[in-house]
Amino acid sequence: SQKIEQNSEALNIQEGKTATLTCNYTNYSPAYLQWYRQDPGRGPVFLLLIRENEKEKRKERLKVTFDTTLKQSLFHITASQPADSATYLCALGERGGSYIPTFGRGTSLIVHP
Amino acid sequence: KAGVTQTPRYLIKTRGQQVTLSCSPISGHRSVSWYQQTPGQGLQFLFEYFSETQRNKGNFPGRFSGRQFSNSRSEMNVSTLELGDSALYLCASRTGTGNTEAFFGQGTRLTVV
Repeated sequence: SQKIEQNSEALNIQEGKTATLTCNYTNYSPAYLQWYRQDPGRGPVFLLLIRENEKEKRKERLKVTFDTTLKQSLFHITASQPADSATYLCALGERGGSYIPTFGRGTSLIVHP
Repeated sequence: KAGVTQTPRYLIKTRGQQVTLSCSPISGHRSVSWYQQTPGQGLQFLFEYFSETQRNKGNFPGRFSGRQFSNSRSEMNVSTLELGDSALYLCASRTGTGNTEAFFGQGTRLTVV
């Protein structure tokens, strides 16, 4: 069956360190992968999109990698700040399917001052 | 540019009742998708409307329905409410022409008692 897996345990890190979140998938042929940020009681906010033929994307302190051989995407936040504390969701869109992506359940990131 | 507006923000309903939620997308966006988010299941896709037609549908029972008006505003209806329908209902606005980035509203928190 198809699965998108993100760590269910919260990631706790110290301010200034790099946070790395993982998104693994099974039985998907992805056309693209997206990362969203969600704060409590609010809707997700789009951060980055990476396509199947791209290895890495950067935006300010954010970096996403996409390894279709390992079936994994890594999401990095460098020089993390307490304001980065939130839940981060990955969403995967399949090749040849509807362009509506399927979301993982998200990983909570807590950055301690 | 105004964001995605969902009303109401909070609702409490009794089992067996029905409920209608509203979503106004970003001006110019023709695609509206609805999602249910619960702690146990994460963000699950309900359906997408584009130009007043349902274009994609998730795996939810027929009690969940929707519609879209000519101004792209959308409503979602849930009939015969069950306790398990308690969730955060999110709507997402897209341009609808292949751009996969989704802009989410703040959601409607539905509690069924």
